[in-house]
Amino acid sequence: DTGVSQNPRHKITKRGQNVTFRCDPISEHNRLYWYRQTLGQGPEFLTYFQNEAQLEKSRLLSDRFSAERPKGSFSTLEIQRTEQGDSAMYLCASSLKRDARAEGQYFGPGTRLTVL
Amino acid sequence: SQKIEQNSEALNIQEGKTATLTCNYTNYSPAYLQWYRQDPGRGPVFLLLIRENEKEKRKERLKVTFDTTLKQSLFHITASQPADSATYLCALDMIRYGTASKLTFGTGTRLQVTL
Repeated sequence: DTGVSQNPRHKITKRGQNVTFRCDPISEHNRLYWYRQTLGQGPEFLTYFQNEAQLEKSRLLSDRFSAERPKGSFSTLEIQRTEQGDSAMYLCASSLKRDARAEGQYFGPGTRLTVL
Repeated sequence: SQKIEQNSEALNIQEGKTATLTCNYTNYSPAYLQWYRQDPGRGPVFLLLIRENEKEKRKERLKVTFDTTLKQSLFHITASQPADSATYLCALDMIRYGTASKLTFGTGTRLQVTL
């Protein structure tokens, strides 16, 4: 399967614990995005990387959230001291940026986080 | 305030008919508009992208229009099939020159195609 993969698919944790999610993008894609989606809403942008550089972060991304993309390949999203409000589907997407044209994004299946 | 509005109520249509979904936005000036399909429990799937200077785009049974004066996009599925049943999301891309393609999504419209 050459699509975007995310692990784990589901995570249940207790409030105050730290969690880490992984995203493996489509191999030749140089851009990687993280979004969060709650029930009945569209995805909300969190952050984005071009290669290994994190170029933009949403105000939604508090200092408890950190994302990395070492070597410009896979990415991790860590949430420290989880809160019940962090319960959501965390989606990763990737795209290939070759020139000034916009392009569609290819999403993974998501990681569903439940904070008890 | 900035808003992207899609019909929150489900759209029910009969197989073979054309489904038309609406995306309206206020206080945005998108350079591009994209449409995605999302099935329950899965990530969105990219369908079509249209630029601000394009009026219409087609792909197989899909057609998208983009009216920057009305601030509206219409998404049409012709000869609809039960397999088209899903939630359809519109997304705005505000970046015109090069760098990010950060998307701002609407809440989606659920389409149900019945036999």
